[in-house]
Amino acid sequence: QVQLQESGPGLVKPSETLSLTCTVSGGSISSNYWSWIRQPPGKGLEWIGFIYYSGSTNYNPSLKSRVTISVDTSKDQFSLKLSSVTAADTAVYYCATTRTVGSKIYFDYWGQGTLVTVSS
Amino acid sequence: DIQMTQSPSSLSASVGDRVTITCRASQSISSYLNWYQQKPGKAPKVLIYAAPSLQSGVPSRFSGSGSGTDFTLTISSVQPEDIATYYCQQSYSIPWTFGQGTKVEIK
Repeated sequence: QVQLQESGPGLVKPSETLSLTCTVSGGSISSNYWSWIRQPPGKGLEWIGFIYYSGSTNYNPSLKSRVTISVDTSKDQFSLKLSSVTAADTAVYYCATTRTVGSKIYFDYWGQGTLVTVSS
Repeated sequence: DIQMTQSPSSLSASVGDRVTITCRASQSISSYLNWYQQKPGKAPKVLIYAAPSLQSGVPSRFSGSGSGTDFTLTISSVQPEDIATYYCQQSYSIPWTFGQGTKVEIK
């Protein structure tokens, strides 16, 4: 069974760049799409973007100017960078496998999530 | 963006009750609709994908239906372990979007 684990700083200063890594185990990153999703405390879910193992990406237009998702297949990892963060970016950040069944897509395996707080 | 609206926002039910949660899309999304369950402090878990397909390992008391703009998640006989917030999510067009969630409590 695929397992995902997020890692990175839990505290980021305003205007700086948030950086997280998701490590995939129990399966190869060289298949499927891989997504980042976030959830502000007490609020709903927001899809940030996905990456295919080949490196092709697609981002939420609301974040596109600040987001970069990359993949390192040699380490079975993919990463998120979010620049110019503000308090509104405080959230639990999840990585998830993005399964495709024909043209249908859903998030099947999720990491446990990591809380990132933006504060000085 | 496609807006997903769930109702109700919360509900309280007795063990064994039939529970129905509704999700409405702001435009037709065919059957590109998924349902997730999120327990407190945990990551979401997929229940239904490409409505109405039941994810492997999910109890059969969960079912999904609908197409176009209107969808429902039904729990045929709610159990104490079903206490959670439920989210719908569309994968018809990017950005993929979620409903605001429905919190299910047990009386």
